[in-house]
Parts: sequence; C-alpha cells; structure tokens
Amino acid sequence: GQQVMQIPQYQHVQEGEDFTTYCNSSTTLSNIQWYKQRPGGHPVFLIQLVKSGEVKKQKRLTFQFGEAKKNSSLHITATQTTDVGTYFCAGPLGGSYIPTFGRGTSLIVHP
Amino acid sequence: DSGVTQTPKHLITATGQRVTLRCSPRSGDLSVYWYQQSLDQGLQFLIQYYNGEERAKGNILERFSAQQFPDLHSELNLSSLELGDSALYFCASSKEGGHGEQYFGPGTRLTVT
Repeated sequence: GQQVMQIPQYQHVQEGEDFTTYCNSSTTLSNIQWYKQRPGGHPVFLIQLVKSGEVKKQKRLTFQFGEAKKNSSLHITATQTTDVGTYFCAGPLGGSYIPTFGRGTSLIVHP
Repeated sequence: DSGVTQTPKHLITATGQRVTLRCSPRSGDLSVYWYQQSLDQGLQFLIQYYNGEERAKGNILERFSAQQFPDLHSELNLSSLELGDSALYFCASSKEGGHGEQYFGPGTRLTVT
C-alpha cells in the first residue's frame, strides 16, 4: 500500500557532525511536514513544505522538498546534544489530507 | 507547552476493560486528531473530529470510538482492551480541518495487563 518511508531508522553521530534523514513517498505529495519528538515527549511541528524543489532553513536545520514532490530531506549541520530525538516526516497519501507519518529517524548525538 | 492537554498521563488497566482518554485542544482550534504510537506500528492516525463532527477515519478499531463535544474537547473510548492496545495515545489539534500544522498533546500512556 501507499506509505511514507524514512531512512535511516537510527543514526549515531558525534557532536559537531552533520546529520541527514530522508523521506520517500510512493506517490506525489501535496505537502510534507516534519516533526521532532524528544525522548519521552510528544511530536512537535517543525515545518511544512508545499512547493516543488522548496528549500527552507531554520538555523542549523535545512529542509528540502524534491522536484517531483515525492521525497524530502532534513539536514542538520553541526549537531548538538539538544538535537537528540526522533524526526518524523508526514505527508497526505491517496487523496486524503490527513498526513501519514513515516516511522521516523532517531538521532543519537554522542558528546 | 503546545496548549493541548490530555488526561490522564498514565493509565494501567486489565484486559477486557474499558477506558476513556480526554483531550482539550488549543484555544481556537476546531480540529482534533487522535493517534496511537507503539514501537512496532509507529504513529498511526485513528480519527479526526472537526467542530463536533467526525471528519476522517484512519486505522481505528471497532472497539474504539471517539467524540467531540460542543466545547470542542474530545474523548477517545477504548473498550474490550487487549494487551496489544498498550501504547501512547496522542491527541493533536489544528485550527482548520486539514493541511495545516498539528499541535500534539503530551499523550496518555496506556498499559493493559
């Protein structure tokens, strides 16, 4: 069935290294959202991308939406221990407007 | 603090029982969504209410039901509980019916023994 795939599932980095998580959909998405969930916390909205090829930055975080609107990525430059958490992408599938969440990428930052 | 409240924080109950989870959306938000998060299934959409009416249904079991009241708070009822229903249940709210960002509450951790 239609789904939103995220890779990798886990990523260990040393503090200061960069990190990227990738999100892929089997179908074209009208938009893609990114959320962050800290350990023991709840998902927190980060950003929504709507346009083909869109790139948005939030400080050390860079979000991209693919030209075909089927993939997206989140890149963190120079990770910090505060970046620890699970990053989810979410996009509406199959004509629904409700975002389907990927399984998330858990980022572990070693000091 | 997202402005979305959920009660209770934790719930421990036995198989076969029924529980009610409660959610109050952010002030001004008309839409409430319920999600189930478990280790093996990830974050699964259950159901959405908009201004008191059911708007969308996801992977919600027949043993589960929800409603949204005139004051916009929502309740998720889980009955005939099974061990596999143990999970985190999140409520989220948004201003409108879809497309926009969702604000998640702190969640209710349900443990079925």
